[in-house]
Amino acid sequence: EVQLVQSGAEVKKPGESLKISCKGSGYSFTKYWIGWVRQMPGKGLEWMGIIYPGNSDSKYSPSFQGQVTFSADKSITTAYLQWNSLKASDTAMYYCARKGDGNNWFDSWGQGTLVTVSS
Amino acid sequence: QSALTQPASVSGSPGQSITISCTGTSSDVGGYNFVSWYQQHPDKAPKLMIFDVSNRPSGVSNRFSGSKSGNTASLTISGLQAEDEADYYCTSYIGNSAQVFGTGTKVTVL
Repeated sequence: EVQLVQSGAEVKKPGESLKISCKGSGYSFTKYWIGWVRQMPGKGLEWMGIIYPGNSDSKYSPSFQGQVTFSADKSITTAYLQWNSLKASDTAMYYCARKGDGNNWFDSWGQGTLVTVSS
Repeated sequence: QSALTQPASVSGSPGQSITISCTGTSSDVGGYNFVSWYQQHPDKAPKLMIFDVSNRPSGVSNRFSGSKSGNTASLTISGLQAEDEADYYCTSYIGNSAQVFGTGTKVTVL
């Protein structure tokens, strides 16, 4: 069974750094893209970008380029989403999701990680 | 890249059919046959319902169907059931491995 399990909720202060994780299992982790999707409180889904764990090739939405960093550790089948300096406006639920190479949809999703940034 | 435009809400009675539109441009919806639809229940992760305009993943009810005409894609739910009450999002490929989501539609079963 394909599973994406995300790390737990985080509460941080503005200016702090953060790295959240998404562990894949039940499939060949290096053969699928992992995407990240933001959902701000009460709002819609936003496509942040994707990373290919096989070679760490990454594509960022222009809205998120330079604001976050994607990474992956093949040895532990885990992808990461990282901020160097959080802002209150980063408060949101973040989902990871799996995308087949050559496909244009997310077929399996993590449960989400709630990030709260507040002073 | 702006979000694709969806109606904020659509409602219907049990057993009825409803259609949710997803309007973009020739640079996204109109330019590729790569539109997907996701269902999201409150406080749950999204679930893939339709991919590549009109294809259903295994396990998704055949009451859900997708289509596209020009720059507008549509999701139709037939035989509406209480469990279909949720938010629905379309998404389209926009080139360079990127995608954009729609604004989302809240479906209410009366």
